Amino acid sequence: DAGVIQSPRHEVTEMGQEVTLRCKPISGHNSLFWYRQTMMRGLELLIYFNNNVPIDDSGMPEDRFSAKMPNASFSTLKIQPSEPRDSAVYFCASSLFRGQYFGPGTRLTVL
Amino acid sequence: QKEVEQNSGPLSVPEGAIASLNCTYSDRGSQSFFWYRQYSGKSPELIMFIYSNGDKEDGRFTAQLNKASQYVSLLIRDSQPSDSATYLCAASMNSGGYQKVTFGIGTKLQVIP
Repeated sequence: DAGVIQSPRHEVTEMGQEVTLRCKPISGHNSLFWYRQTMMRGLELLIYFNNNVPIDDSGMPEDRFSAKMPNASFSTLKIQPSEPRDSAVYFCASSLFRGQYFGPGTRLTVL
Repeated sequence: QKEVEQNSGPLSVPEGAIASLNCTYSDRGSQSFFWYRQYSGKSPELIMFIYSNGDKEDGRFTAQLNKASQYVSLLIRDSQPSDSATYLCAASMNSGGYQKVTFGIGTKLQVIP
């Protein structure tokens, strides 16, 4: 079975541009998570969906960040406008019971 | 104060030795605990979970949980250079009807040939 799929794998953009990250969870998983990882802050939960419904978005840094899950097989994380401090690796993970399964991540660089 | 604490390391052990990775958590409501392995430039990979006090063994890995002391550990026996990675500890608790998971900063393990 395919694991969690994320695209793009790398994204380089300029400050002020809109960035959209995409995720396809493992089929049958009912929970989806978006994380951001940096050296300084480690792995931070941004938002958590359960059965396509956002449950906890307390980790979303500010209004520049938004996430959607229109169906069980697709989710997006959008940053508009992007800033250099948003540079990080963004992971999507899915889960059914115990434990989360991570995608390969998107390395975002905002110049 | 971070809810899940880990020493960032690096922890260096010789090949063949036992590597001991430790983690403490602050919320007594935490119910399940997970260890993830993350190679440099890769994504975290789930290697073990534990929810009952005591030990749980899987091959060369043993997870230990002591809820009274709020302490979780991962032992890696016969450490190999391929075990060199960052090991993330995570704690899960029921919050508002769903499982909230908090990760530690991770401990970098270096196995020296």
